[in-house]
Amino acid sequence: EIVLTQSPGTLSVSPGERVTLSCRASETVSSRFLAWYQQKPGQAPRLLIYDASSRATGIPDRFSGSGSGTDFALTISRLEPEDFAVYYCQQYRSSPQTFGQGTKVEIK
Amino acid sequence: EVQLLESGGGLVQPGGSLRLSCAASEFTFNNYAMSWVRQAPGKGLEWVSAISASGGTTYYADSVKGRFTISRDNSRNTLILQMYSLRAEDTAVYFCAKGSRYGSGSPIDYWGQGTLVTVSS
Repeated sequence: EIVLTQSPGTLSVSPGERVTLSCRASETVSSRFLAWYQQKPGQAPRLLIYDASSRATGIPDRFSGSGSGTDFALTISRLEPEDFAVYYCQQYRSSPQTFGQGTKVEIK
Repeated sequence: EVQLLESGGGLVQPGGSLRLSCAASEFTFNNYAMSWVRQAPGKGLEWVSAISASGGTTYYADSVKGRFTISRDNSRNTLILQMYSLRAEDTAVYFCAKGSRYGSGSPIDYWGQGTLVTVSS
């Protein structure tokens, strides 16, 4: 099983700031089959990034994904008020698919 | 717009069984892999199970293997999760989720709103 470790656990930031969230895998995620999701309280998750760096339909270009192998990142270039949420990475290359434990982005 | 509507959640005693259903609409159901993902109260996401578009291949998390069975009825656009031998740690909101590709190794592009399963005596 591929274990995904996200850091930091919580990020306190101000609107307008740039943030980078990390997702590290316990082994190589081949074909860069890694996704990022955003979840707000009481809502289902929303796909932001797939295949490590491709933005999902309708996702603003302030969200970008990067990385390969075992190290991946999600960058939000300028935080908007609606971006405060929990972010999860997921690998879907091998079964069992796995999620990271999440990074909460909160208002400073 | 893609619609995924879960049903079947509720309160069940430890050791009991429950059957979750997901009614899918507004997309060609038999072209996409489907999954179940759960979230315990106040916790993160946990992938539970996936099934290929044809239904011929299934995958399970170790935590549910041998107790849960995923299936699909492509003629009725329905995804099923049959759960047996339920434990307190199975308590969670269960999300029905649509893969973005035919194969089971695909990101999830649509999620249902979830159905709550509570395992307690």
